Amino acid sequence: EVQLVESGGGLVHPGRSLRLSCTTSGFTFGDYAMTWVRQAPGKGLEWVGFIRSRTYSGATDYAASVKGRFTISRDDSKSVAYLQMSSLQTEDTGVYYCARGLALPRHWGQGTLVTVSS
Amino acid sequence: AIQMTQSPSSLSASVGDSVTITCRASQYIRHDLGWYQQKPGKAPKLLISAASSLESGVPSRFSGSGSGTDFTLTISSLQPEDFATYYCLHDYNYPYSFGQGTRLEI
Repeated sequence: EVQLVESGGGLVHPGRSLRLSCTTSGFTFGDYAMTWVRQAPGKGLEWVGFIRSRTYSGATDYAASVKGRFTISRDDSKSVAYLQMSSLQTEDTGVYYCARGLALPRHWGQGTLVTVSS
Repeated sequence: AIQMTQSPSSLSASVGDSVTITCRASQYIRHDLGWYQQKPGKAPKLLISAASSLESGVPSRFSGSGSGTDFTLTISSLQPEDFATYYCLHDYNYPYSFGQGTRLEI
């Protein structure tokens, strides 16, 4: 069974950094791209970015709203994807989901809540 | 970046009704669009890919159509479990983007 579990969320002050993890099991992690999506409280889904598999050089891309502040990485030996978030702003508050795949992901985690507040 | 405009933002309907949700892309996206269903506190679930391909296990009352810039999701004979929020997502080029969502209410 494919499983994805996000962790690392919590309360953080504006301007600080936070790293989220997406721990996976049930599939060959190295074969898949991984995507991050977020959702502000009571709002819609926002595509954050992705990292491709090593076969495709682990290339990344990001939404304009996070480019330059967020970095997605992966550790294939641990089957974990990461979302490093820096210079956090109150608008970054929300639930962060990781998902398997690049286009139209079918498998998602349950999400982890990030609250940016002073 | 491609903008996805989804309408309506909310919709009231009853069990047994048929409803249609529309998504319009700001530029041509071929048929590179999917539809997701999200229930409160849950992760999104993919219903339709490539504009009109029903995902395995999704009831046949869900259907998608469209290409180019205009797309629709139709739910026929609404069931109680269909009341949720629906999103379109294009995967034509980077960055991908979601529509604003349609909240389907009783």
